[in-house]
Amino acid sequence: DVKVTQSSRYLVKRTGEKVFLECVQDMDHENMFWYRQDPGLGLRLIYFSYDVKMKEKGDIPEGYSVSREKKERFSLILESASTNQTSMYLCASSWTGGRNQPQHFGDGTRLSIL
Amino acid sequence: ILNVEQSPQSLHVQEGDSTNFTCSFPSSNFYALHWYRWETAKSPEALFVMTLNGDEKKKGRISATLNTKEGYSYLYIKGSQPEDSATYLCASHPQDSGTYKYIFGTGTRLKVLA
Repeated sequence: DVKVTQSSRYLVKRTGEKVFLECVQDMDHENMFWYRQDPGLGLRLIYFSYDVKMKEKGDIPEGYSVSREKKERFSLILESASTNQTSMYLCASSWTGGRNQPQHFGDGTRLSIL
Repeated sequence: ILNVEQSPQSLHVQEGDSTNFTCSFPSSNFYALHWYRWETAKSPEALFVMTLNGDEKKKGRISATLNTKEGYSYLYIKGSQPEDSATYLCASHPQDSGTYKYIFGTGTRLKVLA
């Protein structure tokens, strides 16, 4: 089974801090994704990566950056955390290979910015 | 329809009841539709990937149908059990989106009462 592991289930940080959310997958997937989920909204894509060192902005990239130095690891960085970044963050991965490929998700990180 | 819409937002059913809910998506530019089950404190789990008009998929007591011409998919659960309690998400994958653009609905939250 595919395993997508997010480094923390719960995280509390302060406004202005630099925050790192880590995600590791063990199935050699090319694609990795970071989403956030807020009440009343569907999952929204923050950033996507289709290969090592490659990244593309999703729908809501402002205030975030990402890093993919190794194929299995995709990091989300909040450069200067703000209270409106309090949310549930989900990492996902998938094969490249057409439209039949589902995404495999981690358990999520619930991030609170105080 | 420009977005992915799911209905109802939530529902409660008695154990043993059958139930169904709807995912509506833009019918133009259709490429694929994904269904996920998201249990509390767990990661979203892929249920089905559907690509062809008239597709029917089945996994145990859960099945799904797809109508790409009118832009909807139904998810059915036969003989609901308490372990079916979860949020059911659908995601549309438009044809011009590349490999990464999925539009998620807000989900249907199902509670099965014992």
